[in-house]
Amino acid sequence: GQNIDQPTEMTATEGAIVQINCTYQTSGFNGLFWYQQHAGEAPTFLSYNVLDGLEEKGRFSSFLSRSKGYSYLLLKELQMKDSASYLCAVRDSNYQLIWGAGTKLIIKP
Amino acid sequence: ETGVTQTPRHLVMGMTNKKSLKCEQHLGHNAMYWYKQSAKKPLELMFVYSLEERVENNSVPSRFSPECPNSSHLFLHLHTLQPEDSALYLCASSQDFSGGAETQYFGPGTRLLVL
Repeated sequence: GQNIDQPTEMTATEGAIVQINCTYQTSGFNGLFWYQQHAGEAPTFLSYNVLDGLEEKGRFSSFLSRSKGYSYLLLKELQMKDSASYLCAVRDSNYQLIWGAGTKLIIKP
Repeated sequence: ETGVTQTPRHLVMGMTNKKSLKCEQHLGHNAMYWYKQSAKKPLELMFVYSLEERVENNSVPSRFSPECPNSSHLFLHLHTLQPEDSALYLCASSQDFSGGAETQYFGPGTRLLVL
C-alpha cells in the first residue's frame, strides 16, 4: 500500500528552527508538495520538490531525497503565526496525490 | 478577492436531512476537487471534475452526490448522512487536471456535523 508518515505534533520556540520530516512509500514518484493549514482555514501551497536537494523560499526550505523516500520542511526564525498544521503530499506514478495526516506545529513564546 | 470560496462554513444536520455544499473558484481553473478531512487523518479525495466532467470518484457512498454546472462552481449534495460523515469538507481547484499533478488551491472548508 501507499503511505505517507509525518509526526503528529511538534512543539518549538519562537525565534528557533524546526524541521518537520516526511517519509513516503508510494508506487512511483512524481513530486512532493508541502502545504500549510491554519486551524479553520484552507491549506495553502508552500513548496514543491521533484529533484533531490534543498529548495529555499524565505524562512521556509524543503528538502528531498528520492533514494531515501524522505523529505523535510525547515522553518527558520519561527514566528507565532507559524503555528499550523503542515501537510506532506506525494504524487505517485499515476499522478495521484497521496496525502499525509499532517503535523501540528505549536509555537511557544 | 478570495480564490476559492465555500458556503456554508459550518453545517449541522440530522441524518434524514438533505443539504448542499457550494464551492466557487475565481481563478479561471479547469479542474475542481472535493476532499474530506477528518481529525488526524489524511485528506481523502472524493470527487474530481475536469472541464465540468467527472473524472474520478473514489468509492464514495451514494449519499454524497456531486454536481458541476460549470467550471467555476461545484456542489456536493448530501442526504441521509451518518454521524461518521462529520468532517471538514474541502473544495480545491487547479489550472488543469493531470491526475492531481498541479498545485491545488483550497477553499476554507465546510465543517459538517451530522447528529
